[in-house]
Amino acid sequence: KQEVTQIPAALSVPEGENLVLNCSFTDSAIYNLQWFRQDPGKGLTSLLLIQSSQREQTSGRLNASLDKSSGRSTLYIAASQPGDSATYLCAVLNSGGYQKVTFGTGTKLQVIP
Amino acid sequence: EAQVTQNPRYLITVTGKKLTVTCSQNMNHEYMSWYRQDPGLGLRQIYYSMNVEVTDKGDVPEGYKVSRKEKRNFPLILESPSPNQTSLYFCASSLTGTNTEAFFGQGTRLTVV
Repeated sequence: KQEVTQIPAALSVPEGENLVLNCSFTDSAIYNLQWFRQDPGKGLTSLLLIQSSQREQTSGRLNASLDKSSGRSTLYIAASQPGDSATYLCAVLNSGGYQKVTFGTGTKLQVIP
Repeated sequence: EAQVTQNPRYLITVTGKKLTVTCSQNMNHEYMSWYRQDPGLGLRQIYYSMNVEVTDKGDVPEGYKVSRKEKRNFPLILESPSPNQTSLYFCASSLTGTNTEAFFGQGTRLTVV
């Protein structure tokens, strides 16, 4: 059974810092990995989608990498801003005869002005 | 506007009283799914559907039913709700199940007393 872990569970940084969020998964049989942000009381907003054949994706200040063989993905946020404060979730779409999705438990980020 | 719409947003009900949470998307997406989010457990997939009349169990399907009679709608049915189904529920859709990003609804907060 796929297990997805995100470390750290919470992170507090001063504004302007570059930071890295980690996501690890136990089964490399995946179609893709997606990063989301969730604001309190809100739904999930998609940030980046990486296909299993890709190594990284970039959008603005965000860069996500994927190393399927080692079961790891990182989300890099450059020049963090208070508006980046949210919970960040990674999710893998599993292959192997079905299309279940497994989420990590998230990293709660606080960017201090 | 492209969106996933869930109704209701908030619901309080009593044990055993059947209820349906509706989910509709206007993007002609093939893949739809339901999740529940609980503190400490994160998001867990309940059911998913790869297309009309095709549904499959996620990781926590017990106590839930779904149907996919039309492409745009994917209702979640709780035939006999119990207090352990108190949770925050999300519906999501994506163009296909394997290589496109997922879009989430705003969530339904369900309380079963």
